[in-house]
Amino acid sequence: GIQVEQSPPDLILQEGANSTLRCNFSDSVNNLQWFHQNPWGQLINLFYIPSGTKQNGRLSATTVATERYSLLYISSSQTTDSGVYFCAVERDSGYSTLTFGKGTMLLVSP
Amino acid sequence: EPEVTQTPSHQVTQMGQEVILRCVPISNHLYFYWYRQILGQKVEFLVSFYNNEISEKSEIFDDQFSVERPDGSNFTLKIRSTKLEDSAMYFCASRDRSSTDTQYFGPGTRLTVL
Repeated sequence: GIQVEQSPPDLILQEGANSTLRCNFSDSVNNLQWFHQNPWGQLINLFYIPSGTKQNGRLSATTVATERYSLLYISSSQTTDSGVYFCAVERDSGYSTLTFGKGTMLLVSP
Repeated sequence: EPEVTQTPSHQVTQMGQEVILRCVPISNHLYFYWYRQILGQKVEFLVSFYNNEISEKSEIFDDQFSVERPDGSNFTLKIRSTKLEDSAMYFCASRDRSSTDTQYFGPGTRLTVL
């Protein structure tokens, strides 16, 4: 199956710092989503971004499908940004499913 | 904004008991999914469901698991005889149409098997 690698596995930031999270995948994808898992375990959908660039407030994401990677940028980080960030990809069209990476655990300290 | 809902939020059960986890997908969505996440691990696909039948399932989804859409709104996951290793967070997801739209996830049900 498709492989999804996320880096770094852990990240500690001071409040106000910027960060870049990376997701590499091993095959062509039709769908790529970024999620934030909050301390209560909920998966919050951040971006649907199979290609191109999107921005939502302090967060933005870029997917370069031809080079099989995606980046999630967090600017001016806040303590509420803490949690695990997952990248998930879908390889085929039709009934395909999301394959998740292992996540990046982000801790933003005051 | 429409959202996927799941009940209960937390279920504790004894090993060997049957559990049913419930999900209400977003209205008018056509594709439904169950995923699970064992504590500290990544999210794993269990099963997808379309047009009242399973369209794909993973190796995890063995004979102990079943899914059903008993009416026009609910989507359920049943575990017939729970094991300790079934303890996990179970997520339901739905999407409008395949491969060109976001999968929307519910808040999850945390299942604890004692």
